[in-house]
Amino acid sequence: EADIYQTPRYLVIGTGKKITLECSQTMGHDKMYWYQQDPGMELHLIHYSYGVNSTEKGDLSSESTVSRIRTEHFPLTLESARPSHTSQYLCASSPGTGPYEQYFGPGTRLTVT
Amino acid sequence: SQQGEEDPQALSIQEGENATMNCSYKTSINNLQWYRQNSGRGLVHLILIRSNEREKHSGRLRVTLDTSKKSSSLLITASRAADAASYFCATVDLSGTYKYIFGTGTRLKVLA
Repeated sequence: EADIYQTPRYLVIGTGKKITLECSQTMGHDKMYWYQQDPGMELHLIHYSYGVNSTEKGDLSSESTVSRIRTEHFPLTLESARPSHTSQYLCASSPGTGPYEQYFGPGTRLTVT
Repeated sequence: SQQGEEDPQALSIQEGENATMNCSYKTSINNLQWYRQNSGRGLVHLILIRSNEREKHSGRLRVTLDTSKKSSSLLITASRAADAASYFCATVDLSGTYKYIFGTGTRLKVLA
C-alpha cells in the first residue's frame, strides 16, 4: 500500500461553495500531481508540482488552484464549486529519481449539486 | 489527445483464460508502465519496462515492448475474478516536465 492519503473520500456540496481537497504523502516524494477522472474514462492532469513552492498547471483547463508549502502536502482548492466539477479527483506522487513509478491516493469523489 | 491509446476499450473473458491488452504511444520513451485501477479507487503500479527491454514478467503478468512500433502489450495469464479492473499504460516525460501521460484504459471483465 502506498503512503498517500486523500480526504475526504466522498463529498457532496452545493453550487458556489469553496472546497479544499486534501492530499498528503509520507514518502518524501518531490513530485506531486492532481488528476481529474470521470468514471471509466482517462485521467486528465490538472496540476503538478516539482517540489516546495513549485506548482504548474496541467493539460486540462481547471478552475482550481493548488499550493505546495510542505513537501508532504498538496491541497487542491475550488473557490466556487459548479456541477461541471463533479468528478473523481486523484492525487499522486513520484520520487525525483528512477524508476519513476507513480503512487496514487484512493481518490475523492466530488458531487456538486 | 492523450499519448497512449489502448485497445480494446473493453474486454470480457472467462475465468482461467488469458487477457491481452495493447497500448500505443507517440513519442520516444525511457520506460513504459502499466497500472491497474479497481472501480472507484486510485491506480496501482503493476510493472515497468525500460526502453531497452523487450519483455518482462511479474507473476502472472507479461509485458512486451516494441519501440519500433511504439507499442506495448500486457498479458494476464489464468485470469481470476480479482483481475477485473481497468488497466492503463503510461509514459513519463523525463525531458523536464516529469508529466505522466496515461492511455485511455482497457476495462477488463472476468466472468465466472
